[in-house]
Amino acid sequence: EAQVTQNPRYLITVTGKKLTVTCSQNMNHEYMSWYRQDPGLGLRQIYYSMNVEVTDKGDVPEGYKVSRKEKRNFPLILESPSPNQTSLYFCASRYGAQIYNEQFFGPGTRLTVL
Amino acid sequence: QKEVEQNSGPLSVPEGAIASLNCTYSDRGSQSFFWYRQYSGKSPELIMSIYSNGDKEDGRFTAQLNKASQYVSLLIRDSQPSDSATYLCAVKGSGGSNYKLTFGKGTLLTVNP
Repeated sequence: EAQVTQNPRYLITVTGKKLTVTCSQNMNHEYMSWYRQDPGLGLRQIYYSMNVEVTDKGDVPEGYKVSRKEKRNFPLILESPSPNQTSLYFCASRYGAQIYNEQFFGPGTRLTVL
Repeated sequence: QKEVEQNSGPLSVPEGAIASLNCTYSDRGSQSFFWYRQYSGKSPELIMSIYSNGDKEDGRFTAQLNKASQYVSLLIRDSQPSDSATYLCAVKGSGGSNYKLTFGKGTLLTVNP
């Protein structure tokens, strides 16, 4: 089944404790991105990747890191999480940068930072 | 910063009625527009895309685009309780941002039985 997977789905952590949210897709998609979704603010892009080893900042990159060492994986790293990073996170992928290709979303990761 | 604006709602309609969702965008060069549906706690799913001025119909859904007015809408005919969700308008950027989708904040639709 073609899908985007994220792990963990739920995470409660404490300020300053490094964490990684994994994202994997099995569709051989080139383009992957991370969003956060907050009430009243909508979906905002954190980072995106056009292909392996090609990443760039989205609209709200502060406090996050990403890497793209393999085509299928695009982990989101929070080196020192803070309470304002409490949010619902979505990974997404699509074939190529062209927007004509449908963008698929993962199931989401609900993160709480205490 | 390119913007996509939607009424946050909630928009409440009776079952069987037409629900009308609206979206305006600031990037005059945008060429591609999308509607996503998102159930509470779930991920967004694509329901319609539109690239040309006019109407595009798919089942009970009709997307309407007016590039001159920078306006895109989604009509849902014969609304069902299962249509109750948040609807996100997304716009493809132009020029150097043509890889980027910008989302509106979404409109919450409630269909009452």
